[in-house]
Amino acid sequence: QKEVEQDPGPLSVPEGAIVSLNCTYSNSAFQYFMWYRQYSRKGPELLMYTYSSGNKEDGRFTAQVDKSSKYISLFIRDSQPSDSATYLCAMSVHNAGNMLTFGGGTRLMVKP
Amino acid sequence: EADIYQTPRYLVIGTGKKITLECSQTMGHDKMYWYQQDPGMELHLIHYSYGVNSTEKGDLSSESTVSRIRTEHFPLTLESARPSHTSQYLCASGLAGAQETQYFGPGTRLLVL
Repeated sequence: QKEVEQDPGPLSVPEGAIVSLNCTYSNSAFQYFMWYRQYSRKGPELLMYTYSSGNKEDGRFTAQVDKSSKYISLFIRDSQPSDSATYLCAMSVHNAGNMLTFGGGTRLMVKP
Repeated sequence: EADIYQTPRYLVIGTGKKITLECSQTMGHDKMYWYQQDPGMELHLIHYSYGVNSTEKGDLSSESTVSRIRTEHFPLTLESARPSHTSQYLCASGLAGAQETQYFGPGTRLLVL
């Protein structure tokens, strides 16, 4: 079993929908949680960064961490066709030298 | 915004050739990483460095080698390219501290014929 599990999708939604992307993990030592967006044939771009549990909002994006359930989510409000990409969750333990454990990515398609 | 650069962006080369993929960052990050990613597939860590003259192999076995002579520069070399090396290679960097994360370059797409 992988340390970080992520549904590969694809997830297809109409423009304007609220999107929920999720990851589960098994290592309770993870303290830093990230979401990356990767467009086709590009490098991953850091979208959201959270430390420990709680919510963080940035524009249309909200990252949520539930450490008790070992579950993290990324919500996208008012989704746009430009949000179509693969979303990778990543996490790390404290003082791990920035070593990240990645999920496999969820491919999102937002249809006009 | 991350300032991390990779060259070339695309490379088509014949079997047996020696190639070097360049990665540079201007952020002063001490930690740098190389990942290999096939289309639609997961990222696999192949090399990393925690500073000058420090290099380690990652989770995925790779025939490539790396060097870290300068903080800002982390090139990856394939001595003899093979079709099995065809993939996308992503370089990343990070600065340990309060925010432990990585910033990625745009990637190099390699095709070995």
